[in-house]
Amino acid sequence: AQKVTQAQTEISVVEKEDVTLDCVYETRDTTYYLFWYKQPPSGELVFLIRRNSFDEQNEISGRYSWNFQKSTSSFNFTITASQVVDSAVYFCALSERGIQGAQKLVFGQGTRLTINP
Amino acid sequence: KAGVTQTPRYLIKTRGQQVTLSCSPISGHRSVSWYQQTPGQGLQFLFEYFSETQRNKGNFPGRFSGRQFSNSRSEMNVSTLELGDSALYLCASSLGTGGDYGYTFGSGTRLTVV
Repeated sequence: AQKVTQAQTEISVVEKEDVTLDCVYETRDTTYYLFWYKQPPSGELVFLIRRNSFDEQNEISGRYSWNFQKSTSSFNFTITASQVVDSAVYFCALSERGIQGAQKLVFGQGTRLTINP
Repeated sequence: KAGVTQTPRYLIKTRGQQVTLSCSPISGHRSVSWYQQTPGQGLQFLFEYFSETQRNKGNFPGRFSGRQFSNSRSEMNVSTLELGDSALYLCASSLGTGGDYGYTFGSGTRLTVV
């Protein structure tokens, strides 16, 4: 079975610090997708990034960057110059292929990030 | 473009009752998935519907069921509610196969069973 591990349950930093959220996954599929979602207190899961297993290029979007390494089965997320608005729970997820080609998301346990002013 | 709409936002039910939650996907999206989020178990997959057919089902008891209508709107039903069913239920919509297109989530329905 596929599995996603986010070893950091909670992280607390002071505003403007850089912070990295770790994600390690397990899968037997050769084709898979990895995701990061942000969950603010309102509850909605906000999409941040999707990466397929064939694209190992790192990605940067403003203050956010992602480092995908198949060799270590990791897909880490870094926030540069963190802001109070970045405070939320962050989830890493892996798409798992089911029957009839259907896919579902397997989530990590989430990392609660608190940015203190 | 309207997002994924889930109704109601909050619900309080008594143990033993049944409940129906609704999800309207993004216009044009044909796949709807449901997830349960609890503090102890985290986010767990319930089921996925595509063009009115259930394509995938998670490891939940038969008390949890769902369906999808021809307009892609989906409902999930939980019968004989238990205290442990208290959770945030999230619906996700996708254009087709979720991994290929990504998933957009609604704000969820927070169910409390007393």
